[in-house]
Amino acid sequence: DAGVTQSPTHLIKTRGQQVTLRCSPISGHKSVSWYQQVLGQGPQFIFQYYEKEERGRGNFPDRFSARQFPNYSSELNVNALLLGDSALYLCASSTGLAITYNEQFFGPGTRLTVL
Amino acid sequence: RKEVEQDPGPFNVPEGATVAFNCTYSNSASQSFFWYRQDCRKEPKLLMSVYSSGNEDGRFTAQLNRASQYISLLIRDSKLSDSATYLCVVTLPGDGTASKLTFGTGTRLQVTL
Repeated sequence: DAGVTQSPTHLIKTRGQQVTLRCSPISGHKSVSWYQQVLGQGPQFIFQYYEKEERGRGNFPDRFSARQFPNYSSELNVNALLLGDSALYLCASSTGLAITYNEQFFGPGTRLTVL
Repeated sequence: RKEVEQDPGPFNVPEGATVAFNCTYSNSASQSFFWYRQDCRKEPKLLMSVYSSGNEDGRFTAQLNRASQYISLLIRDSKLSDSATYLCVVTLPGDGTASKLTFGTGTRLQVTL
């Protein structure tokens, strides 16, 4: 079975530009979460979507937005890119919402470099 | 204060050694606890969940001390293939339904011949 897939693998942008990152969850998984991992740090939660609705948001500016499609794939958009947005962007999928933890499976990530 | 704190390392140990990683968390109401492993330039992968009773998976033992807000990971008989960054992870109150993971900065382990 295919795991979580993300595209593109690498991306180079300049300050002020906009970027769209894509994620396809594991088949049957309805929840997608996005994380940002800056070099030398652990991943930081950005968003979670479940059944096309935002279910959680981390401490990120409004320049960051996301959506989930009927097939449960997701896009993360970042506007007005800053140098500090350079990071590995990870997508994770899980079966759904639960009071107790659903294991999240991470994709390989998109490495974004902002020049 | 960070929500999850880890010694960043690196820990350089010879093959066969026993190594222990520690992690502290600031929110006493944290709900679930995990260790993830991340290889260089790869995605994090779940290594094991952590329970108050302690749990073991082969050479790996994890322990949770809720009173001290402390999580540990012990690796026995280290292998070269254990070289990676080990991330301490918790879920915070109210985040369970959102499946939000809160990560530490990670501890880098390098196992040498």
